[in-house]
Amino acid sequence: NAGVTQTPKFQVLKTGQSMTLQCAQDMNHNSMYWYRQDPGMGLRLIYYSASEGTTDKGEVPNGYNVSRLNKREFSLRLESAAPSQTSVYFCASTSPGLAGRNEQFFGPGTRLTVL
Amino acid sequence: AQKITQTQPGMFVQEKEAVTLDCTYDTSDPSYGLFWYKQPSSGEMIFLIYQGSYDQQNATEGRYSLNFQKARKSANLVISASQLGDSAMYFCAMFPNRDDKIIFGKGTRLHILP
Repeated sequence: NAGVTQTPKFQVLKTGQSMTLQCAQDMNHNSMYWYRQDPGMGLRLIYYSASEGTTDKGEVPNGYNVSRLNKREFSLRLESAAPSQTSVYFCASTSPGLAGRNEQFFGPGTRLTVL
Repeated sequence: AQKITQTQPGMFVQEKEAVTLDCTYDTSDPSYGLFWYKQPSSGEMIFLIYQGSYDQQNATEGRYSLNFQKARKSANLVISASQLGDSAMYFCAMFPNRDDKIIFGKGTRLHILP
């Protein structure tokens, strides 16, 4: 039981390049999330998926796209990376109502630098 | 609008003292959950404690307790007998039950002094 896994752990991109951050969970959770964390800003929600086949925008969706490939996997794509997207990206999953509490399980994060 | 506010950007506390980290929230939902997470310098997010809005008693998990005052919309984290390993960033978060968005505060950086 690996929990939430993310790849890659580190990435450096040049402005304008594209890439996809991968996330997978093996806990059979319905909901999955992508956050970015910038210094002094806490975690900000980019996109989330309440169930397989659905996605919704969060607080800061511009410049990103997501795909909920199946129940396990939720990917985040940067089509044309910008320096403002330099951040640490966290994927998380949760299954609301499980055991009466809605704990979010986080992946280890991806540190992305855009030059 | 739903919002989480952590008013203490940083705190310094002597080892073995108790610590209270403040969190206030705003929601019109009658049903919600409140969380605290710890983020050490290594970067991972570690779940600490959960409080449901209808829970009658304050949540406790070992040295962590949540001082839940529903009327004041506050959910302060109390760490008893602080340890050097408690030095980290702490985030308060809210899960309104009517949708799946979890909202985080900006965090409090706690420094435990030897």
